[in-house]
Amino acid sequence: QSALTQPPSASGSPGQSVTISCTGTSSDVGNYNYVSWYQQHPGKAPKLMIYEVTKRPSGVPDRFSGSKSGNTASLTVSGLQAEDEADYYCSSYAGSHSWVFGGGTKLTVL
Amino acid sequence: EVQLVESGGGLVQPGGSLRLSCAASGFTFSGYWMSWVRQAPGKGLEWVANIKADGSEKYYVDSVKGRFTISRDNAKNSLFLQMNSLRAEDTAIYYCAREKWNFGYWGQGTLVTVSS
Repeated sequence: QSALTQPPSASGSPGQSVTISCTGTSSDVGNYNYVSWYQQHPGKAPKLMIYEVTKRPSGVPDRFSGSKSGNTASLTVSGLQAEDEADYYCSSYAGSHSWVFGGGTKLTVL
Repeated sequence: EVQLVESGGGLVQPGGSLRLSCAASGFTFSGYWMSWVRQAPGKGLEWVANIKADGSEKYYVDSVKGRFTISRDNAKNSLFLQMNSLRAEDTAIYYCAREKWNFGYWGQGTLVTVSS
């Protein structure tokens, strides 16, 4: 049950695109298409942004997209906006009804 | 509208116990797995435990096995986390979350502080 690996920080200017990676193992990210991404603003609860690798819940802008290759999943935010500045966490099903999260990435909009 | 409201957090001494509750509304509570996820101050998210819709299966992260017990009362749309033998490293905000191959809905969290 080791945490998934995310870069501690990422940044981009308004209008630009940024991609955040999430690296796991063949026991979690590489073995299941149950990777999800969460946005968390300071003092707030996490919010689901992407589920099942590529799907967006209703109400999430299509500027947010997800992908996966092997043991690494990625979240791309296109057309960065000021309100996108937040912490982002990935999560993956890890088998046997257990879940694992990444350490989180602080996204800064310059 | 789905709502999850946690309660029961507070300050407790090392070795002590605490029972968290999560009141659910706006969906058919008895139809969903539920989870507890925690976040230590300034740290990332950590899945703690989950429970099957009918309460018949329960799973835990290794660090809380034997100390924490998750339970639910579907008649009262409520989720619980009984935490015993608490340690300083259990200090965190505890969130309840509705689980369906992701954590689609979260409560606002309740803070548990373990300190003497």
